[in-house]
Amino acid sequence: ILNVEQSPQSLHVQEGDSTNFTCSFPSSNFYALHWYRWETAKSPEALFVMTLNGDEKKKGRISATLNTKEGYSYLYIKGSQPEDSATYLCASFYGQNFVFGPGTRLSVLP
Amino acid sequence: EAGVAQSPRYKIIEKRQSVAFWCNPISGHATLYWYQQILGQGPKLLIQFQNNGVVDDSQLPKDRFSAERLKGVDSTLKIQPAKLEDSAVYLCASRGGRGERNEQFFGPGTRLTVL
Repeated sequence: ILNVEQSPQSLHVQEGDSTNFTCSFPSSNFYALHWYRWETAKSPEALFVMTLNGDEKKKGRISATLNTKEGYSYLYIKGSQPEDSATYLCASFYGQNFVFGPGTRLSVLP
Repeated sequence: EAGVAQSPRYKIIEKRQSVAFWCNPISGHATLYWYQQILGQGPKLLIQFQNNGVVDDSQLPKDRFSAERLKGVDSTLKIQPAKLEDSAVYLCASRGGRGERNEQFFGPGTRLTVL
């Protein structure tokens, strides 16, 4: 069974701080990495889809990088805001379905 | 574009009772997933449909869980009988294509508590 890991498990930061978290995945038979944001009482929503080694994606204050050779991806949030508080999930796609990590729960304190 | 709909949003039952969840995917999406997300863990795939056919149900506890997607659109997931360890959020997701770049669209989930 493929195992996707995320760290840290949870994180508390002050408003305005920048932060980052890690997703680690098996690099063999890799097709793509998806990042999702899941706010409480809402549906998980897709942030990024990354496929190529060295990929960098950016959406506003959030960005992500991908290293397929060593099997990790970083998600960065610059100048965190309270509305960034959510669980951030990564999911690795292996050709047919997805394997999710356990998520990083981010709390941004005003 | 309407999103993925799920109902109910919350359900509390006693162990050994039965429960059913409903999902309506985004119109035209052929692929539908059911996930179980236990607190502190990532979503775990229970079953994947392509139209009305099952692609992967290897992690579905078939002695108590069943799912169907009869007309290739809506889907139901049933648990009979429920156990305490079935307490979780059940997420439904759909995709418009099967390529690695096609993202999943999720419903809001059903939070099940088994007492």
